[in-house]
Amino acid sequence: ETGVTQTPRHLVMGMTNKKSLKCEQHLGHNAMYWYKQSAKKPLELMFVYSLEERVENNSVPSRFSPECPNSSHLFLHLHTLQPEDSALYLCASSRGTAHTDTQYFGPGTRLTVL
Amino acid sequence: GQNIDQPTEMTATEGAIVQINCTYQTSGFNGLFWYQQHAGEAPTFLSYNVLDGLEEKGRFSSFLSRSKGYSYLLLKELQMKDSASYLCAVMDSNYQLIWGAGTKLIIKP
Repeated sequence: ETGVTQTPRHLVMGMTNKKSLKCEQHLGHNAMYWYKQSAKKPLELMFVYSLEERVENNSVPSRFSPECPNSSHLFLHLHTLQPEDSALYLCASSRGTAHTDTQYFGPGTRLTVL
Repeated sequence: GQNIDQPTEMTATEGAIVQINCTYQTSGFNGLFWYQQHAGEAPTFLSYNVLDGLEEKGRFSSFLSRSKGYSYLLLKELQMKDSASYLCAVMDSNYQLIWGAGTKLIIKP
């Protein structure tokens, strides 16, 4: 139990669907992250939120839209995805964004786009 | 560009010792992390090195040489449950984590 939960754990969607991924952290952290993990590739940082403000957006296509309503919740809204977007989407949180602040990960959502 | 290199896969025997290497080329350095990720599970934090030398934590140790851009994770007295992927990540000058692709470690009886 890492204190970071993600739902759903598995998601299959068509290219025209709209869906959302949810992340919740119970650690009292101030920073939250979305990562994409594809097979045999490094983790790709997508978005970073610190105190509910987006501080990083790594050239992610607009079909991915993050939302951080409060410091405990993070969403990733998905719209008109492509098959190459199929991957494991990991959420993480940390106390802050300093170099000593360890990131704690959720179990991920395994996304398949048909 | 920024780059983290680690072997794709390694195999070791239960009870033995294994060393997983990581080399990095990043713009600046603010520490190196090792994470463990079992199949289908979340990555979990193992170690953080920011100064040169060896950090020991039970059966796991992590070494850093900043001048060589090199780190290794040493696992002793291997157990079957150590079968997992081991991810190396470096925090660059912008405090962004740059990740390696991970090393899949297979433990055989």
